[in-house]
Amino acid sequence: DVKVTQSSRYLVKRTGEKVFLECVQDMDHENMFWYRQDPGLGLRLIYFSYDVKMKEKGDIPEGYSVSREKKERFSLILESASTNQTSMYLCASSLSLAGGPLDTQYFGPGTRLTVL
Amino acid sequence: AQKVTQAQTEISVVEKEDVTLDCVYETRDTTYYLFWYKQPPSGELVFLIRRNSFDEQNEISGRYSWNFQKSTSSFNFTITASQVVDSAVYFCALSGPYNQGGKLIFGQGTELSVKP
Repeated sequence: DVKVTQSSRYLVKRTGEKVFLECVQDMDHENMFWYRQDPGLGLRLIYFSYDVKMKEKGDIPEGYSVSREKKERFSLILESASTNQTSMYLCASSLSLAGGPLDTQYFGPGTRLTVL
Repeated sequence: AQKVTQAQTEISVVEKEDVTLDCVYETRDTTYYLFWYKQPPSGELVFLIRRNSFDEQNEISGRYSWNFQKSTSSFNFTITASQVVDSAVYFCALSGPYNQGGKLIFGQGTELSVKP
């Protein structure tokens, strides 16, 4: 079974703090993704990575950065957290981007971040 | 542009009723992929099904069935004889060909409540 884990289920931070959200997958997947989920908006892609040290912007990258130093780990960084970044953050991974069944994304349990 | 619409925000049924969750998509790609995910209260998105645009065969898996119709750009999901454990938020998602990086476009989600 694919296992995607996220470092925290719940996190409370203050405005202006630097926040790190960690995601680890144990299936040697090439690709990793960060989404945020907000009511009525579904999931929106923030960033993704298709290889170590490689990253691509998603649909809403503003205010976020990412780091992928090892294949299994993908970090989302909020350089200076703001209240409008209060959300559920979901990490996902997939084996391939080739357009076949291997590109199915598997998700972690999510981190519910509150910025006060 | 790609878009997924799940017009039903919330559905409430009584156990053993059949329920259909609607999904309508928009894309200009001729090759694309459709997905359904389930998000139980625990928060983790669980992959249910993946369909490619060249395969319009309907699929049945136990109490779950999916009806893919390209003519109406719909990919509807039916749960037969619903159970309380089916209570969750269900997301429909769309991705394009591999050269678009495997990005998933999600609908807004449909919250299904199955009452005993």
